[in-house]
Amino acid sequence: DAKTTQPPSMDCAEGRAANLPCNHSTISGNEYVYWYRQIHSQGPQYIIHGLKNNETNEMASLIITEDRKSSTLILPHATLRDTAVYYCIVLLHNAGNMLTFGGGTRLMVKP
Amino acid sequence: EAGVTQFPSHSVIEKGQTVTLRCDPISGHDNLYWYRRVMGKEIKFLLHFVKESKQDESGMPNNRFLAERTGGTYSTLKVQPAELEDSGVYFCASSQQGAFSMNTEAFFGQGTRLTVV
Repeated sequence: DAKTTQPPSMDCAEGRAANLPCNHSTISGNEYVYWYRQIHSQGPQYIIHGLKNNETNEMASLIITEDRKSSTLILPHATLRDTAVYYCIVLLHNAGNMLTFGGGTRLMVKP
Repeated sequence: EAGVTQFPSHSVIEKGQTVTLRCDPISGHDNLYWYRRVMGKEIKFLLHFVKESKQDESGMPNNRFLAERTGGTYSTLKVQPAELEDSGVYFCASSQQGAFSMNTEAFFGQGTRLTVV
């Protein structure tokens, strides 16, 4: 699976959009981009995933560049409860595949 | 619908003792995963069950760790004998289909915090 690079930390003001970047320059054509987050000491939580089209759900939007070498997770109106470590993961849709977590980005939402 | 549940939430044991962690996946989920996070390090994969069979146990650190999933329902992870470096948070996750083969997500439990003293 392709490796990802994320900034170790970011701050965001409450109510503003949080834009979390991820580089995955070695991604292959059939690897998906997944985002999970871990709030404090809870278990990781799925946010969103995509292949090449931009995706949106009730939690976030995922913007994938045309060359697929990078992506951005957007939390449109960050709240204090969005403070967490956000993980960008790329992997094949393959039976038996598992998530490989990197260091993630620690997002701090400030009032 | 109940999520993935793990028991106990915390466990403190002495070095050399045995501890058994339990994970109840979401009902109907064939795939069950164990992960752990050792203090200050990244979350690491341990192993993957499909029903009662071990699909991949490449992440198991050594033979002091034994995972079972009898009957393909709940799973246990036993550490015997426990060492100081086993301290960390152990997460269990489950998914309905062959995870990530058909746009499925993995649901994680709250984890078991294991402290070996």
